[in-house]
Amino acid sequence: QKEVEQNSGPLSVPEGAIASLNCTYSDRGSQSFFWYRQYSGKSPELIMFIYSNGDKEDGRFTAQLNKASQYVSLLIRDSQPSDSATYLCAVRRTDSWGKFQFGAGTQVVVTP
Amino acid sequence: DADVTQTPRNRITKTGKRIMLECSQTKGHDRMYWYRQDPGLGLQLIYYSFDVKDINKGEISDGYSVSRQAQAKFSLSLESAIPNQTALYFCATSDRLAGSSYNEQFFGPGTRLTVL
Repeated sequence: QKEVEQNSGPLSVPEGAIASLNCTYSDRGSQSFFWYRQYSGKSPELIMFIYSNGDKEDGRFTAQLNKASQYVSLLIRDSQPSDSATYLCAVRRTDSWGKFQFGAGTQVVVTP
Repeated sequence: DADVTQTPRNRITKTGKRIMLECSQTKGHDRMYWYRQDPGLGLQLIYYSFDVKDINKGEISDGYSVSRQAQAKFSLSLESAIPNQTALYFCATSDRLAGSSYNEQFFGPGTRLTVL
């Protein structure tokens, strides 16, 4: 079992709709959770981080964390063609401060 | 100017050749990382360094070595390149924020390496 799992997609989303991405992790010692966006051939860039249970909103993005169920999700509201990218979930463990474990990523395609 | 730079950006080499990928950063971060990315596999950690004298193996260090020449420079070497090392390589940095739950990693632009 991979430590961090994501559906590879592609997730096809109509423009203006909500994209919902999920990420599950296996290590209960995980402490912080990050969502990165990566355009094809480019480097990952941070969208959001979350470390407390519940929701965290930033503009059109909402991260949701449920440590008991060991999942973290990302919602993209009012999806735009520029949101078409691969979204990487990253998890940091308490006992390995500074080391991240990345999921394989979910490809999102926003269709006009 | 970019905060994290990588050279070269693209490299094609032959099996058995020694290759060095270089990373430099102007962010003043202590921590530096090397990842490789293969399609469908996400980012895999090769080596990481928490300061100049602290270098650690990651998940897939076999066939690779590193050198932390200074706080700002972290090089990755492939002593004898093989075709399955063909991948996209990223350098990343992060700050040391004691007691903080948040320490974002900042990525360089990547080096696309092809081993024939």
